Formats: sequence, structure tokens, C-alpha cells
Amino acid sequence: DTGVSQDPRHKITKRGQNVTFRCDPISEHNRLYWYRQTLGQGPEFLTYFQNEAQLEKSRLLSDRFSAERPKGSFSTLEIQRTEQGDSAMYLCASRDRYYEQYFGPGTRLTVT
Amino acid sequence: GNSVTQMEGPVTLSEEAFLTINCTYTATGYPSLFWYVQYPGEGLQLLLKATKADDKGSNKGFEATYRKETTSFHLEKGSVQVSDSAVYFCALSDPSSNTGKLIFGQGTTLQVKP
Repeated sequence: DTGVSQDPRHKITKRGQNVTFRCDPISEHNRLYWYRQTLGQGPEFLTYFQNEAQLEKSRLLSDRFSAERPKGSFSTLEIQRTEQGDSAMYLCASRDRYYEQYFGPGTRLTVT
Repeated sequence: GNSVTQMEGPVTLSEEAFLTINCTYTATGYPSLFWYVQYPGEGLQLLLKATKADDKGSNKGFEATYRKETTSFHLEKGSVQVSDSAVYFCALSDPSSNTGKLIFGQGTTLQVKP
């Protein structure tokens, strides 16, 4: 069990650019979640997958955001035409059969 | 809607002091409740959980009891250490859907001084 990993750990981009983040969950976990955390706040739910199916998306996830989980393994979160308001920590978590979510270290996005 | 409210921080204590971090929730139905901890520069780690009323979760000297009558899940530790300095998040698993998504409070920063 190597834990949940995320790549990159930090991303600085200019407004208007596209960015993509990757999450590798714990291998036997079939549920995967994305959250966003801004400074001084708790994480907020963005979307989740059961295997390869994306089953729920938050209203926070505008049409500039898209997430995939091909083959039910790793997942990617893409933000198109980034805005300064997208600056945040993006967290990925996977869930075990005891309903416990294990979080990755996060990707910190800074949009300049 | 479902929500979690935590006491505002920062909480500053001396080593070996007693810790309480208050957490109350609003939910329709019967959520599971969690405390997560975020050490500086690290990801969120599950500290403890409780899945039904009157359950007590415990780990590493921390405890919290699921109180349905007061809709609370306060975190306590009898004697804090400098190494407990971190941000603590209370969370519930949304009972109104079967997604298992977590709803978090805003976090409480704990600083323990030697």
C-alpha cells in the first residue's frame, strides 16, 4: 500500500492556460474523489468516480473543469482557460470498503 | 443542507494541557462523522471516526463521541504534545446521497508550545 499519489505537487500557470492534474489512488479502492481546498477553508467536494463512471459533480465544477478515470485506475482533472479564482489546493482521495477516505498530498495550483 | 461548524482557531496550548475542539453538524438522516488532521506540509490523514450515535472514536490519545441529541462530535485529548500542532478538520459523510462524499468544517489550527 503506497498511498494516494498526486502529480504535480505544485503548478504555476498563467491565466488562460490549461492545466491537468493526475491522481493515482490506492489500487484496490474503486471510489475516487476530487476536492478543492482554498486557504483557511476545509476541502469542498468536486466530483467522484466509482470505477470508471463519474457519478456526481458539484456545482463548483464549471464547464471549464473536466475529470476522467479511464479503466477505473488513475484519474485526471483538467482545468481549461484557468482563472485566478482557480488558485487552490486540489485534493484526491480514494475510499476503502470501510468507507474511509485516504487523501493524497494535493496539487497546489497558482494562477498568475 | 448538510454542514459542519468548528470552533474558530487558532487554539494555542502549552504542552500537557487538555484539548477540546468543538464541532457541531447539521444533517438530514444519520451521517458518519470524522476527524481529519493535516500536519504542516502533509496531506489530510484520518484521525478517528464514529458511524452511529453514542459511538466513541479514538486514536493516538484523541477521542470524540457522536452525540445525536446535541448534534456534536467534539475532539478531546487529555495531554497534548508539541507534535500535535496541526490543522484539525471535522467532517461528515453526506447521508442524503450514497456518494460517500465528505462535508468538512473550516478547520481549527492547534499550536502547542513547549
